[in-house]
Amino acid sequence: DQQVKQNSPSLSVQEGRISILNCDYTNSMFDYFLWYKKYPAEGPTFLISISSIKDKNEDGRFTVFLNKSAKHLSLHIVPSQPGDSAVYFCAARGFGGATNKLIFGTGTLLAVQP
Amino acid sequence: ETGVTQTPRHLVMGMTNKKSLKCEQHLGHNAMYWYKQSAKKPLELMFVYNFKEQTENNSVPSRFSPECPNSSHLFLHLHTLQPEDSALYLCASSPSGTGELFFGEGSRLTVL
Repeated sequence: DQQVKQNSPSLSVQEGRISILNCDYTNSMFDYFLWYKKYPAEGPTFLISISSIKDKNEDGRFTVFLNKSAKHLSLHIVPSQPGDSAVYFCAARGFGGATNKLIFGTGTLLAVQP
Repeated sequence: ETGVTQTPRHLVMGMTNKKSLKCEQHLGHNAMYWYKQSAKKPLELMFVYNFKEQTENNSVPSRFSPECPNSSHLFLHLHTLQPEDSALYLCASSPSGTGELFFGEGSRLTVL
């Protein structure tokens, strides 16, 4: 049973437009959510995060929105650039503690067309 | 350079072989992790070590044996694997109590 779901395996967007990547989760005990970006032949790299006590976090072109009642978060990239083309993973941290038990979604492949 | 280095980057082994994956982090983190990434599946947490002590074993078969001699090094010993174990194995580290993991570039394992 997947606790973190990314229902869109891929997304194609024109350069300069907005990219919206979506993520749903099932466990209301998750306290922290993160987005990671992965290029081919590289490990995932941290992009942006949001605590469950907030509903928005912005960092430059990247904004993450959290809707706790809907158990939904989204990543907005605006304007999208060709270098943003990568796989984006949503992750949720469960149950606190000293280590980070991150539960990941299956990823969404974003292609930004020049 | 991510600060987390994994070797080898690629490994091909037979089902009767014994091999090891190595992970090293120079970030001063206390926690280290092994994740498995198979095609079209989420990253799956395998093992977690905090201050060299194993704190999580996510029902991983015994043919995978982790070792953490110190907070900077993590190994995954492989023995009598199956073809379905072919995947990308990712190591990560984190400071205790924060939300962010720092990943290595992964070791691509193929079991013949």
